[in-house]
Amino acid sequence: DSGVTQTPKHLITATGQRVTLRCSPRSGDLSVYWYQQSLDQGLQFLIHYYNGEERAKGNILERFSAQQFPDLHSELNLSSLELGDSALYFCASSPGTGVPNTEAFFGQGTRLTVV
Amino acid sequence: AQKITQTQPGMFVQEKEAVTLDCTYDTSDPSYGLFWYKQPSSGEMIFLIYQGSYDQQNATEGRYSLNFQKARKSANLVISASQLGDSAMYFCALEADKLIFGTGTRLQVFP
Repeated sequence: DSGVTQTPKHLITATGQRVTLRCSPRSGDLSVYWYQQSLDQGLQFLIHYYNGEERAKGNILERFSAQQFPDLHSELNLSSLELGDSALYFCASSPGTGVPNTEAFFGQGTRLTVV
Repeated sequence: AQKITQTQPGMFVQEKEAVTLDCTYDTSDPSYGLFWYKQPSSGEMIFLIYQGSYDQQNATEGRYSLNFQKARKSANLVISASQLGDSAMYFCALEADKLIFGTGTRLQVFP
């Protein structure tokens, strides 16, 4: 168990809908990262939050948004869903924003299927 | 800008042999970290090993070691005494201003 909790584990929804994925980082970790992994693909970096503030943005679509709350959990909101958004969405947490972080642990992922 | 590259889409190794998975990176930041993760068919991402840019010695964790060659900007993972359970995707990652991943190498261990 990595200590990073993602909910839900599986999500099936229709095109055009909106979903929210949730991530609780390990106790004490201030950084949360979000990634998208499409079938047989690598991990695409979406966004990084540190202690409630956005720190870096990757290839995140405008239909997607994220935030990190005062209790440090994070949510990734995906709207106007398309079939191509079907993927495994991971979050990872690490202690801080300063490099180097010596560890970064992943949640088990949320498998999103858009039908 | 930062970049990380894994050039081996797939590798085969016989049980009990050692195998090296290649990873090269590029960043202009003097302080950075390098990570390796294993992703079995079940899908979870398992943290294996970490190397900091200022670390003088190569990192080791059990059967995993990281061959860090800073001048060549390479951070290869060496798995010694391969086991059937090592069959998985392996990802190299670089943290400079953000934590990014390579495209992965699929390792298959055969008896």
